[in-house]
Amino acid sequence: AQSVTQLDSHVSVSEGTPVLLRCNYSSSYSPSLFWYVQHPNKGLQLLLKYTSAATLVKGINGFEAEFKKSETSFHLTKPSAHMSDAAEYFCVVSQNTGGFKTIFGAGTRLFVKA
Amino acid sequence: DTGVSQNPRHKITKRGQNVTFRCDPISEHNRLYWYRQTLGQGPEFLTYFQNEAQLEKSRLLSDRFSAERPKGSFSTLEIQRTEQGDSAMYLCASTQSPMNTEAFFGQGTRLTVV
Repeated sequence: AQSVTQLDSHVSVSEGTPVLLRCNYSSSYSPSLFWYVQHPNKGLQLLLKYTSAATLVKGINGFEAEFKKSETSFHLTKPSAHMSDAAEYFCVVSQNTGGFKTIFGAGTRLFVKA
Repeated sequence: DTGVSQNPRHKITKRGQNVTFRCDPISEHNRLYWYRQTLGQGPEFLTYFQNEAQLEKSRLLSDRFSAERPKGSFSTLEIQRTEQGDSAMYLCASTQSPMNTEAFFGQGTRLTVV
């Protein structure tokens, strides 16, 4: 069975400060993990993915995430927040057993203050 | 190709009416997925197709819901006898084999049942 928990429903940061969005997962199989971003009135966009290669994954717009198997975590970080980063972020786990059966987290809304 | 296209973008219907949504995936993608997203939640998997074959359906997909992909290209999702609880954003995504590659999402169809 799979599950994913995003530990914060809302995160607020000031522009120029670091961003940390936390995600814990559980999976019976070797998982693939993703972070997607959803801006208002726009489709979901992939930020980055982990598929059993390097544990530190770099994505678009300066985001990165580290897969930590011992902690079953896949936290998303960015060194310096920009106003345009304000959006909803989803952590996603997928089983490597075929198809793209995915479980989305409930989402974390990121607010960026000027 | 401009990505995954969904029509209509918005649909308001009266309870008890039938509605049908359309999804046009990226042309070379052979896998197509439907998700439902309610306010404050992450997308929930409904069903997916590989070419014209519907390979998996979630328990969320009651018998009032039916999805088709007759020629392995576009897909339709029909909801019969709509209920207020069906109000949600319906998202379509497509991927290209192999599994667990990036899913490209459409902007969704927002259904409001009044």
